[in-house]
Amino acid sequence: DTGVSQDPRHKITKRGQNVTFRCDPISEHNRLYWYRQTLGQGPEFLTYFQNEAQLEKSRLLSDRFSAERPKGSFSTLEIQRTEQGDSAMYLCASSPEGDKPYEQYFGPGTRLTVT
Amino acid sequence: LAKTTQPISMDSYEGQEVNITCSHNNIATNDYITWYQQFPSQGPRFIIQGYKTKVTNEVASLFIPADRKSSTLSLPRVSLSDTAVYYCLVVPNTGGFKTIFGAGTRLFVKA
Repeated sequence: DTGVSQDPRHKITKRGQNVTFRCDPISEHNRLYWYRQTLGQGPEFLTYFQNEAQLEKSRLLSDRFSAERPKGSFSTLEIQRTEQGDSAMYLCASSPEGDKPYEQYFGPGTRLTVT
Repeated sequence: LAKTTQPISMDSYEGQEVNITCSHNNIATNDYITWYQQFPSQGPRFIIQGYKTKVTNEVASLFIPADRKSSTLSLPRVSLSDTAVYYCLVVPNTGGFKTIFGAGTRLFVKA
């Protein structure tokens, strides 16, 4: 079990640029979640995939945000035309469908800084 | 989704038992109570989950009264390394859903 991995770990970008983050879940987990976390706050749910299907999407996920999980394995989160308010830690988590589906395993996160 | 309320912060000393209480008045019949721990610059880590009465694992105990409107996470003999943020969540046991984290309880363990 190699755990959930995320790439890159840190990203600094200028306002208006597009950025893309990648998440590799635990291999046997068919459920994948994206969260955003700002300093002093708990993680905010962004979206959820079951296999390749995006089943839940928060209103926080504006039109500038898009997430994909094309083959039901890794996932990408893209932010277009970044704004300073997008600066945050972006967390990915995965969970199994069978035993203990409630237990989400989180990756280390991607810290985004928009200048 | 049931809303949870927990203290913003708590202080303790090494070796003490720490109890963090969470209220969830609108918990539904198929909801479970789940706790996560988060260290700075890391993602949250699952600690324990329960439905009713008491659950214990190698890390913590979870006490849930009969009405299930609150729960208490108990950390025995805390150490400095238990300094973290602890989140209480109420979730359906099937998983695969919108998960709501609150602000959590910041536990600071002092020497």
